[in-house]
Amino acid sequence: GQNIDQPTEMTATEGAIVQINCTYQTSGFNGLFWYQQHAGEAPTFLSYNVLDGLEEKGRFSSFLSRSKGYSYLLLKELQMKDSASYLCAVSDSNYQLIWGAGTKLIIKP
Amino acid sequence: ETGVTQTPRHLVMGMTNKKSLKCEQHLGHNAMYWYKQSAKKPLELMFVYSLEERVENNSVPSRFSPECPNSSHLFLHLHTLQPEDSALYLCASSQDLGGSGSTEAFFGQGTRLTVV
Repeated sequence: GQNIDQPTEMTATEGAIVQINCTYQTSGFNGLFWYQQHAGEAPTFLSYNVLDGLEEKGRFSSFLSRSKGYSYLLLKELQMKDSASYLCAVSDSNYQLIWGAGTKLIIKP
Repeated sequence: ETGVTQTPRHLVMGMTNKKSLKCEQHLGHNAMYWYKQSAKKPLELMFVYSLEERVENNSVPSRFSPECPNSSHLFLHLHTLQPEDSALYLCASSQDLGGSGSTEAFFGQGTRLTVV
C-alpha cells in the first residue's frame, strides 16, 4: 500500500530552527509537496521537490532523497506565526496526491 | 485568500437533511477537487473533475453527490449523512490534473460539517 509518515506534533522555540521529516512509500514518484495549514484555514503551498537535493525559499527549505524515500522541511528563525500544521504529499505514478496526516508545529516564546 | 471560495464555512445538519456545499474559483483552473479532512488523518480525496468531467471517484458513499456545472463551480450535495461524516470538507483547484506532477493545488478554507 501507499503510505506517508510524518510526526504528529513537534514543539520548538521562537527564533530557533526545526526540521519536520516525511518518509514515503508510494507506487511511483512524481514529486513531493509541502503545504502549511493554519488552524481553521486552507492549506497553502510551500514547496515542491522532484529532484534530490535542497530547495531554499527564504526561511523555509525542503530536502528530498528519492533513494531513501525521505524528505524534510526546515524552518529557520521561527516566528510565532509559523505555528501551524505542515502537510507532506507525494504525487504517485498516476499523478494522484497521497497525503500524510500532517505535523502540528507549536512555537513557544 | 487563495482564490478558491467555499460556502458555507460552517454547517450543522441532521441525518435526514439535504444540503449542498459550494466551491468557486476564478483562477482559470481546469481541475477541481473535493477532499475530506478528519482530525489527525490524511486528507482523503473524494472527487476530481477535469474540464467539468468527473475523472476520479474514490469509493465515496452515494450520500455524497458532486456536481460541476462549469469550470468555475463545484458542488457537493449531501443527503442522509451519518455522524461519522462530520469533518472539514475542502475544495481545491489546480491548473491541470498535475500532468507534470508539479501543479500545485489551491485550497478553499473549507466547510466545517457537523452531522447530528
